[in-house]
Amino acid sequence: DAGVIQSPRHEVTEMGQEVTLRCKPISGHDYLFWYRQTMMRGLELLIYFNNNVPIDDSGMPEDRFSAKMPNASFSTLKIQPSEPRDSAVYFCASSLRRTQETQYFGPGTRLLVL
Amino acid sequence: AQKVTQAQTEISVVEKEDVTLDCVYETRDTTYYLFWYKQPPSGELVFLIRRNSFDEQNEISGRYSWNFQKSTSSFNFTITASQVVDSAVYFCALSEGNYGQNFVFGPGTRLSVLP
Repeated sequence: DAGVIQSPRHEVTEMGQEVTLRCKPISGHDYLFWYRQTMMRGLELLIYFNNNVPIDDSGMPEDRFSAKMPNASFSTLKIQPSEPRDSAVYFCASSLRRTQETQYFGPGTRLLVL
Repeated sequence: AQKVTQAQTEISVVEKEDVTLDCVYETRDTTYYLFWYKQPPSGELVFLIRRNSFDEQNEISGRYSWNFQKSTSSFNFTITASQVVDSAVYFCALSEGNYGQNFVFGPGTRLSVLP
C-alpha cells in the first residue's frame, strides 16, 4: 500500500509568488495533518482535517497560508504571497480514525523562498 | 497545556554502545498517547512506537526498548548495541485526550553513532 504522497519534493520560488503544496493521504485514513519543520521552531502542526473538514487551524501562521481538502484523497497547502521566512520543510501526515492514532508522514516538501 | 521535553539536544556514541534518549512530558489529562519518531538524514519521519497512558509495560523491539514511567512522566528510548544506521534525529510526541485534539512534538535529539 502506498504511503502518504507529497508533491513537489522540492520547490524554489521567489518572494511574492504563490506556492501550492500537495498531499495524498493513505487510503482510508480519516485525518490529515499539515506540519512545518524549521531549525528554529522544530515541528509545528499547522492544521488538521477530519473527513475533509478543517478541525483546527490555530497553527496556521497568518492569512497568507490556506489549506483545503476537496476530497478524501487530496489536500493542498497554499502560501500567497510567499516570503523568505516561509522556507521550511512541509510535511503532510495521515492517521486512521482519531488524532491519537499513529500518524504516518509523507516525505516532505522542502520549500525555499528567495 | 501540554509539553514535551527532550533535554538532550545532541548525543554522540561509538558504535556498539548503548544509548538512552530521554523524553519527559507534561499533561493534565489521564488519557494520552506517547510516540517516538525517527528522522534519518534523508528527512522522512518514521514511526517507531505508540503507547497509551494506561499501558506502562515496557516494550522491546529488537535493539530498541522503551521505558514508560507515569510516576516521573517519562517515556525513554534505549538503543542497544547502536549502529551507524541509527544516526538520526529522534522525536518524542504527545497526544492527549479522548479525541487527541493536540499533537505536540518535542524538539528532538540528534544521535550520531560513530564507527
